[in-house]
Parts: sequence; structure tokens; C-alpha cells
Amino acid sequence: GDSVTQTEGPVTVSESESLIINCTYSATSIAYPNLFWYVRYPGEGLQLLLKVITAGQKGSSRGFEATYNKETTSFHLQKASVQESDSAVYYCALGEPASSGSWQLIFGSGTQLTVMP
Amino acid sequence: GALVYQYPRRTICKSGTSMRMECQAVGFQATSVAWYRQSPQKTFELIALSTVNSAIKYEQNFTQEKFPISHPNLSFSSMTVLNAYLEDRGLYLCGAGDRGRDAEQFFGPGTRLTVL
Repeated sequence: GDSVTQTEGPVTVSESESLIINCTYSATSIAYPNLFWYVRYPGEGLQLLLKVITAGQKGSSRGFEATYNKETTSFHLQKASVQESDSAVYYCALGEPASSGSWQLIFGSGTQLTVMP
Repeated sequence: GALVYQYPRRTICKSGTSMRMECQAVGFQATSVAWYRQSPQKTFELIALSTVNSAIKYEQNFTQEKFPISHPNLSFSSMTVLNAYLEDRGLYLCGAGDRGRDAEQFFGPGTRLTVL
């Protein structure tokens, strides 16, 4: 089946450092899945950070960026300078059509990020 | 904006009993509702995907007999965990989407189930 693999955590970086969380996917049921990064801040629910539905495009939000690379089947999350408030769990996800005509998401295992002041 | 509420936020039940959780979508049409479980130290596992006017599809290892789901309209869904045991503990998330859009789902805060 389809799957998502991402950097295993926990990841600890210092404030102002750069960050990359790797994500690769395997999609056999669809040529161009939708790709997402969701984030879960401490004490909060899962929320969308960014999404890209077209191969070759880049998504960005809150200083984070991710480029949909069809050739390498990757969707790595990057930020040039992290802040303490970025400490959270980050989930890479793949969206694919379901047999019912709607969509379903497949999540990676999550990466716990801690940013030290 | 699109919001999803889940009730209850936390619940504790005795082993062998059942508990029901609810999911309410506001601000959009929840044509599809996916229920996930995050067990300790694991990622989000899809339990089932419910689409209005279509059969509910359960993933491998999850059954309707154990996790019956109701999705009566475009704003509400419920799921019951029947005969809960220790392995059923975890965070249950509801992800609601609009079929006419892309694969994005809006999530509630989750219902955390503890089984004693």
C-alpha cells in the first residue's frame, strides 16, 4: 500500500538555526497524490501547516516551505531560522482518492521538534 | 472558517464497556469524515472513511462490529468503541473533508480514551 516515511524524532535545534525534516512517499494508487504537512502544537489539535497538490510546486506558511518533488518522491519541510514557538510534532501526509469518491490521508510517523532558546 | 469539534475531549471507561464519541463540522460541508486512532508511540491509523451517500469503508484490522460509525448529514458523525480493551486506548481523531475540494481534512482536537 501507499506509505509516508519521515525523519524520526526527536529533533532538537537551537533558535535561529535552520531546519529540515525529510519526507518521502510511496504512491502506487495515484500518480500525483496531494501532499501535506500537518502540525500539532502542545495541547492543541492537528492543524494544516501547508499543502501542495501539484507536482513541482512549493507550499509555504509561517516561514516553512516544502516542494513537491515527483522525481525523488519527496516533500521535505524546511525553515531557514526556527523559533522556540515552532516546537511541535510535524506530520507529513499523502492524500489519495478513496473508492467512495472522496479522499483519504496517509500519515507519516511524526517528528517531534524541540527548539531550544 | 472551517472548524471541527469533538466530544468528549477525554473519557475513561472500564474494560469491556463501550463509549461513543462525536464529531461536529462547522463552516463547510463534511461530505467525508475519516476516523483515526493514534495509539501510544504510533502515528495516526485510519479506522474508517465515511462518505455521505456511500458505504463506510473500514481499514484492515478495524470492523464495523467493533467501531460502528454514523454519518447522518453534512455536519455530524459519531463513532462508538464497543467492548473496549486496553489496546483500544489512545487519541481518536476525526478528520472532515469536502469531496469537491482536494484531499485536505480539517481535524478536531481528538477524544482521548483511557481504558481501565
